[in-house]
Amino acid sequence: RKEVEQDPGPFNVPEGATVAFNCTYSNSASQSFFWYRQDCRKEPKLLMSVYSSGNEDGRFTAQLNRASQYISLLIRDSKLSDSATYLCVVKDSGYSTLTFGKGTMLLVSP
Amino acid sequence: DGGITQSPKYLFRKEGQNVTLSCEQNLNHDAMYWYRQDPGQGLRLIYYSQIVNDFQKGDIAEGYSVSREKKESFPLTVTSAQKNPTAFYLCASSIRGKRGDEQFFGPGTRLTVL
Repeated sequence: RKEVEQDPGPFNVPEGATVAFNCTYSNSASQSFFWYRQDCRKEPKLLMSVYSSGNEDGRFTAQLNRASQYISLLIRDSKLSDSATYLCVVKDSGYSTLTFGKGTMLLVSP
Repeated sequence: DGGITQSPKYLFRKEGQNVTLSCEQNLNHDAMYWYRQDPGQGLRLIYYSQIVNDFQKGDIAEGYSVSREKKESFPLTVTSAQKNPTAFYLCASSIRGKRGDEQFFGPGTRLTVL
């Protein structure tokens, strides 16, 4: 069975802090990787795709380590508005479906 | 504006009744999906459809049914055979064939069975 594992948290950090989440996946043939953000009682929204070379979008940096089968998300200069649950998502090759982790909750305090 | 709509936002039904959840998209996406989310749990795939008039079971299809008569629409019926139907139901769509295959979600329907 395909698995995507995340630390559920919550991660409690002050504003301005840097925080990192990791996620591990079980299927070594997985091809595509994503981070989604889900606010309380809302739908998940795509935060960023994760590329083999790593990628950055403003304060957010995603990394992929295929050898160890994990994905990371780094958030710099945390804002109150970053408080949410972050979902790690993995897709295998071809037209297969997505496998979602249970999410890591982040709470940013003033 | 392009997007995915789900209706209703909240739905209450009595045990034993079938109920149909609506999902419509105007993104011209080929693929559509239905997920269920329970508190503290990840999203679990119920059904998905890669093309009109075709759909496949996901991980937890028992007690659910779908149809895909139009590209824009993918309604989900929760039948009385579903043992624990109370949950947050999310519909998503994606462009078929795109390598990344990012999925975009509707706002969800919260179903409560009394």
